[in-house]
Amino acid sequence: EVQLVESGGGLVQPGGSLRLSCAASRFTFSSYELNWVRQAPGKGLEWVSYISSSGDTIYYADSVKGRFTISRDNAKNSLYLQMNSLRAEDTAVYYCAREVRAVPAACDYWGQGTLVTVSS
Amino acid sequence: SYVLTQPPSVSVAPGQTARITCGGNNIGSKSVHWYQQKPGQAPVLVVYDDSDRPSGIPERFSGSNSGNTATLTISRVEAGDEADYYCQVWDSSSDHVLFGGGTKLTVL
Repeated sequence: EVQLVESGGGLVQPGGSLRLSCAASRFTFSSYELNWVRQAPGKGLEWVSYISSSGDTIYYADSVKGRFTISRDNAKNSLYLQMNSLRAEDTAVYYCAREVRAVPAACDYWGQGTLVTVSS
Repeated sequence: SYVLTQPPSVSVAPGQTARITCGGNNIGSKSVHWYQQKPGQAPVLVVYDDSDRPSGIPERFSGSNSGNTATLTISRVEAGDEADYYCQVWDSSSDHVLFGGGTKLTVL
């Protein structure tokens, strides 16, 4: 079955940086669009960023634009999220999610999530 | 910016039908997706493209979308359906993915 495994979360001070990774397996990674979605403790889902299958098209939520960078390495079956200038409000579980082909935004597989805590 | 509005909570007795709404301006012109999320777990896609079901999702889950309201309908509700449910759309005018605030379904 399709597998997505996030890593790289942890405790970081405000203003710091962190790089999340999502390792994919058991599907043709290069054929799928991907998203990062986060969930603050006790809160709802918040979309963070999108990247097309080739990496040519990228979108960001307004709350992270200019601070976060999404990227992918199709040769390594991996998705990344570089997070800079982190704020307390970025504290959340971060999920990588695979989109259903040809159905924008619909995510049929999700990782288990990695927790990012921004605190001094 | 485009906003999706869900009721914070819906309660239903076992065996009855639950309807969870998602409001948005002319949402009927958009493709709506629905997720189920249980505590401590990742979301699960239960309906996509308004009314399609991924493989493995019971037929009890169905969706509709018209005008300013999309609806997730869960028939013959079971205790295991108790969860948070989120609607989602792609907003092409802003190139953003949007989620509703979520609805907590309680099975009485």
